[in-house]
Amino acid sequence: EDQVTQSPEALRLQEGESSSLNCSYTVSGLRGLFWYRQDPGKGPEFLFTLYSAGEEKEKERLKATLTKKESFLHITAPKPEDSATYLCAVQAKIGGNKLVFGAGTILRVKS
Amino acid sequence: KAGVTQTPRYLIKTRGQQVTLSCSPISGHRSVSWYQQTPGQGLQFLFEYFSETQRNKGNFPGRFSGRQFSNSRSEMNVSTLELGDSALYLCASSLLITDTQYFGPGTRLTVL
Repeated sequence: EDQVTQSPEALRLQEGESSSLNCSYTVSGLRGLFWYRQDPGKGPEFLFTLYSAGEEKEKERLKATLTKKESFLHITAPKPEDSATYLCAVQAKIGGNKLVFGAGTILRVKS
Repeated sequence: KAGVTQTPRYLIKTRGQQVTLSCSPISGHRSVSWYQQTPGQGLQFLFEYFSETQRNKGNFPGRFSGRQFSNSRSEMNVSTLELGDSALYLCASSLLITDTQYFGPGTRLTVL
């Protein structure tokens, strides 16, 4: 069974304090790994898709990387507006559109 | 470009009733998937539709059903509501199956 584990469950940072979120996964043939951001009361907002080990993608203060067993979301010099829940999900090669999500990491950035 | 829209945004029902939720995908997107989000179970896949056909189904009881229309709009139905069905129901659309999914704002269902 495909599984995704995210750590830590919650992370509190000071503004400007860089850190990383972890996403460990087991999947029967990875088609893609997805990162989403979710604000309270809203739907998940797409951030990145990674397809193969060694791939990296960047957007503003965020950088996502992928290995064969895990993915990291690096946050550089975060700002309070980066506070949100960050969700990681995997899509298997067999299983159509189904995304299997981790429980998420709640990030709080204080000024 | 307009995003995924879901109606209604909030809904309160009582046990035993049934409910229908609606989803309009991003223009041009043909694949629609539904997810249930609860504090205890997180985001769980319900089902996906493409070209009016259900392509995949998650591990939910038969009380949960859905359909897709020729314009790609989708509805999901939950019959005989239970307290545990209280959740945020999210719809996501993608251009084709396996493409990146974009989520709507969700419908918050409360069952009393």
